[in-house]
Amino acid sequence: QVQLQESGPGLVKASQTLSLRCTVSGVSISTFGSYWGWIRQHPGKGLEYIAHIYHTGSAYYNPSLKSRVTMSVDRSKNQFSLTVNSLTAADTATYYCARLYGDYGSDAFDIWGQGTMVTVSS
Amino acid sequence: SSDLTQDPAVSVALGQTVTITCRGASLTSYYASWYQQRPGQAPVLVIYGENNRPSGIPDRFSGSRSGNTVSLTITGAQAEDEADYYCNSRDNSGNHVVFGGGTKVTVL
Repeated sequence: QVQLQESGPGLVKASQTLSLRCTVSGVSISTFGSYWGWIRQHPGKGLEYIAHIYHTGSAYYNPSLKSRVTMSVDRSKNQFSLTVNSLTAADTATYYCARLYGDYGSDAFDIWGQGTMVTVSS
Repeated sequence: SSDLTQDPAVSVALGQTVTITCRGASLTSYYASWYQQRPGQAPVLVIYGENNRPSGIPDRFSGSRSGNTVSLTITGAQAEDEADYYCNSRDNSGNHVVFGGGTKVTVL
């Protein structure tokens, strides 16, 4: 079955850059119609969409985060990544990777990773 | 603030029916999806598209849409349905995804 697994540092310092990776298993990251995304959740808060990307490299970003985030795809490793720069304490959250799948306009995040907690320290 | 608005909390008696709503302008153009998140767990997709359930989701979960409002109904709520529920869809531009603020469902 399709599985996603996040990896990355649990603790990073403010002003530095966070790099997270999501490893996809059970399906090719190049599967037609599959987009790959990142969502985060601040402690005790709701879900916040960060970005999503197609295997071709076409990426879409939350306008409120666009200046600080970048997504990329590594098809050879069946992985995709997220970098967030200029970190502040407000970036402390659980970060989830997920697959966005389905017809445009009715697509959904159907498969999620377990999430990885990231703490930004001063 | 979110482009999609949900009531913060709702309660339902065991075995009864509860409906959660999500409102937003973009919902007149795009379908919404619904996710269940139990404490300490990742979200799980429960409804997508017009009213589709992924494999393994009980049929007591159903979705509907009217104008700029989408609804998730749990018919015959069970104790295990106590969770946070989030709607999501596209924003007005269609290029980005947005989530509602979430609704906490308590089963009494």
